[in-house]
Amino acid sequence: DAGITQSPRYKITETGRQVTLMCHQTWSHSYMFWYRQDLGHGLRLIYYSAAADITDKGEVPDGYVVSRSKTENFPLTLESATRSQTSVYFCASSEFGSDYSPLHFGNGTRLTVT
Amino acid sequence: SQQGEEDPQALSIQEGENATMNCSYKTSINNLQWYRQNSGRGLVHLILIRSNEREKHSGRLRVTLDTSKKSSSLLITASRAADTASYFCATADEQGAQKLVFGQGTRLTINP
Repeated sequence: DAGITQSPRYKITETGRQVTLMCHQTWSHSYMFWYRQDLGHGLRLIYYSAAADITDKGEVPDGYVVSRSKTENFPLTLESATRSQTSVYFCASSEFGSDYSPLHFGNGTRLTVT
Repeated sequence: SQQGEEDPQALSIQEGENATMNCSYKTSINNLQWYRQNSGRGLVHLILIRSNEREKHSGRLRVTLDTSKKSSSLLITASRAADTASYFCATADEQGAQKLVFGQGTRLTINP
């Protein structure tokens, strides 16, 4: 089925561990995004990518690493997880860029850092 | 950074009534978007309205945009229980069109 899928759906990890959240889209959209959603902060952009091998920082990039070797995949890595990174993470894709075309969101990964 | 702010934060109405949510933003925009989020799910795009448009309709949804007041409203007519969700407006940060910034959202509850 066409769409955007995130995995895992839920993840519990310990402080200091590295964890990678996966995102895969089947539309061949150029743009992909990672947001985190927290009570009191709404959605905040972590990183985005305009095309394969092109990434840029969003509002809250510290502690995160992204890569985009293939158009359809945009993994997000927490290099050394901290409790403040406990959140719900959403991946999204867009055909022409987020200001000009709709974002299509995955159903999120709920990450708990203990 | 630019941010849309929705008002009210929460709204509870009876099924069949109309629901109106408002969004204010800070700087000039190209477009403004509205999204819906059901509990435990990702956001779903509802409408994109361009800065040169004043009103746009999609089914039971009506969006207005007043660039002079830097505000937008989302009207849902004849509400249904399935409309229960959080609604967000989003605009691009003036520093980058890819940095779409979301408001805190309005939590809408439709009572049967």
